[in-house]
Amino acid sequence: DVKVTQSSRYLVKRTGEKVFLECVQDMDHENMFWYRQDPGLGLRLIYFSYDVKMKEKGDIPEGYSVSREKKERFSLILESASTNQTSMYLCASSLGSFAQDTQYFGPGTRLTVL
Amino acid sequence: AQSVTQLGSHVSVSEGALVLLRCNYSSSVPPYLFWYVQYPNQGLQLLLKYTSAATLVKGINDFEAEFKKSETSFHLTKPSAHMSDAAEYFCAVRLSNDYKLSFGAGTTVTVRA
Repeated sequence: DVKVTQSSRYLVKRTGEKVFLECVQDMDHENMFWYRQDPGLGLRLIYFSYDVKMKEKGDIPEGYSVSREKKERFSLILESASTNQTSMYLCASSLGSFAQDTQYFGPGTRLTVL
Repeated sequence: AQSVTQLGSHVSVSEGALVLLRCNYSSSVPPYLFWYVQYPNQGLQLLLKYTSAATLVKGINDFEAEFKKSETSFHLTKPSAHMSDAAEYFCAVRLSNDYKLSFGAGTTVTVRA
């Protein structure tokens, strides 16, 4: 079974702090994704990566950056956390570039910014 | 660009009753379609997906969905609800030339004993 793990289930940070969310997948997947999930809005794509050191912006990249130095690890960075970034963050991975490829999700990190 | 509309943010069903969750998409070309389920405090898990092989798709836990091109719909059904089906369900769409999954807003299902 594919396993996607996220470094924290719950995180509380203060406004202005730099925040790192880590995601690791163990199935040698090419693609990795970061979403945020908010009630009534579903999941919105922040960034994705289709290869090591490669990244593309999703629908809502403002205020976020990402890093993929190794194939199995994809980090989401909040350079200066703000209260409107309080949300659930979900990481996902998929095998390759085919549209029918399944995305496998981690358990999520619930981030609260005070 | 594609979008996904899930009709009804909350659905309440009795145990043993039919579950019907509605999903409509807007796309100029037939997309790939997915249903995911999210149990409380967990990530998303794939229920089923449509990849153009067959219009009626069977998934896990007796869920199934039918792709209707003329109605641009991909509604999810289960003949008999179980208490363990209480969760949030997301419909998602992806075009063949796109990495991106576009998600609907989600439908929360509660099951009454």
